[in-house]
Amino acid sequence: EVQLVETGGGLIQPGGSLRLSCAASGFTVSSNYMSWVRQAPGKGLDWVSVIYSGGSTYYADSVKGRFTISRDNSNNTVDLQMSSLRAEDTAVYYCARVGTGGRAFDIWGQGTMVTVSS
Amino acid sequence: DIQMTQSPSSVSASVGDRVTITCRASQGISTWLAWYQQKPGKAPKLLIYAASSLQSGVPSRFSGTGSGTDFTLTISSLQPEDFATYYCQQTNSFPRTFGQGTKVEIK
Repeated sequence: EVQLVETGGGLIQPGGSLRLSCAASGFTVSSNYMSWVRQAPGKGLDWVSVIYSGGSTYYADSVKGRFTISRDNSNNTVDLQMSSLRAEDTAVYYCARVGTGGRAFDIWGQGTMVTVSS
Repeated sequence: DIQMTQSPSSVSASVGDRVTITCRASQGISTWLAWYQQKPGKAPKLLIYAASSLQSGVPSRFSGTGSGTDFTLTISSLQPEDFATYYCQQTNSFPRTFGQGTKVEIK
């Protein structure tokens, strides 16, 4: 079965760091483009970052310089290292696969909640 | 950045109704447009990609049209399981922006 499972969320103080991980099954992350999308409580979807199969990465301006997306091919995971966290980073973080059709996100994980609060 | 504007923000409809949601891009995006459905507490689900292509497994009552800056998602006959929030997303350029969402509610 093709699926994504995110882990690593939790409560973190402002200024702190957290690493999210997204484990894929049923396909190989290294052969796909993989993205992170977040959703603040009661709000809409907010694109965060993408990593291409070739290794290129792109970020939303709101997280550039603070978040780093990476891939662990041996474990078939995609990670999001988050640092200098702010209250406005509080959200459910979803991992998603970028499908071959129209660059849309065809597979999503269940999400992991990150709460930035003192 | 490309801004995506959906309308309406919410719509009340009955089972069997035809529902149309529009999405406008602040600049031309050809057909680089996707539609997602999200139910409370769940991850989004891809419905339409490349503006008009139906994702595998999605019922044929969902359809998408448009190119350039103006797009529509139509549900031809609303079913009970279709009450949800719908988002458009441009996949033309970075950042991959989403519309603000349209909530389809029971009338």
